[in-house]
Amino acid sequence: EVQLVESGGGLVQPGKSLRVSCAVSGFIFDDYAMHWVRQAPGKGLEWVSGISWNSGYTAYADSVKGRFTISRDNAKNSLFLQMNGVRPEDTALYYCAKDQGPGDHTVFSGFDMWGRGTTVTVSS
Amino acid sequence: DIQMTQSPSSLSASVGDRVTITCRASQSIATYLNWYQQKPGKAPKLLIHTASSLQGGVSSRFSGSGSGTQFTLTISSLQSEDFATYFCQQSYNSPITFGQGTRLEIK
Repeated sequence: EVQLVESGGGLVQPGKSLRVSCAVSGFIFDDYAMHWVRQAPGKGLEWVSGISWNSGYTAYADSVKGRFTISRDNAKNSLFLQMNGVRPEDTALYYCAKDQGPGDHTVFSGFDMWGRGTTVTVSS
Repeated sequence: DIQMTQSPSSLSASVGDRVTITCRASQSIATYLNWYQQKPGKAPKLLIHTASSLQGGVSSRFSGSGSGTQFTLTISSLQSEDFATYFCQQSYNSPITFGQGTRLEIK
């Protein structure tokens, strides 16, 4: 059974840092690109960041570029998002999502598996 | 960045109706267009990838079409479980962008 389980969310003060993680099982993790997608309460979906299968290509939304860093550990089947300098507008449910492809040559595909999300709240 | 615009933003329909949702890209994205369904409190579910390919396990009453800048998602005969919010997404280039969503409600 495919599982993506996010963790590490919580309440964080503006300007501080937080690292969220996604533990994956049920598929060959290092064959696929992975992504973070967030959803603010009552709002739509916003792609945050993606990473290719071998970490050779990473991409970010303009809203988080320079503040967030995506990474992965293929030996541990884990995906990470380091969030620095968080802002109130970063408050959202953060989903980990599996790409249908490897993310080679900067090309991503549809997201065919999703976790349940971890909630990040930025507030003083 | 590529802007994705869905229409309508909301839609009321009845069980058995045929429904079409439109997604327009601000520039050509070939067929790098995906459709998702999201129900309240749940993660999104991939329905259609590369504009017209039905994701495995998804009902054949869902279909997608289009290329370039104009795309449609059609539900041939609405079932009660189809009432949800639908999002289009372009994966042509980064940053990946989603449409604002179409909320499909029961009439």
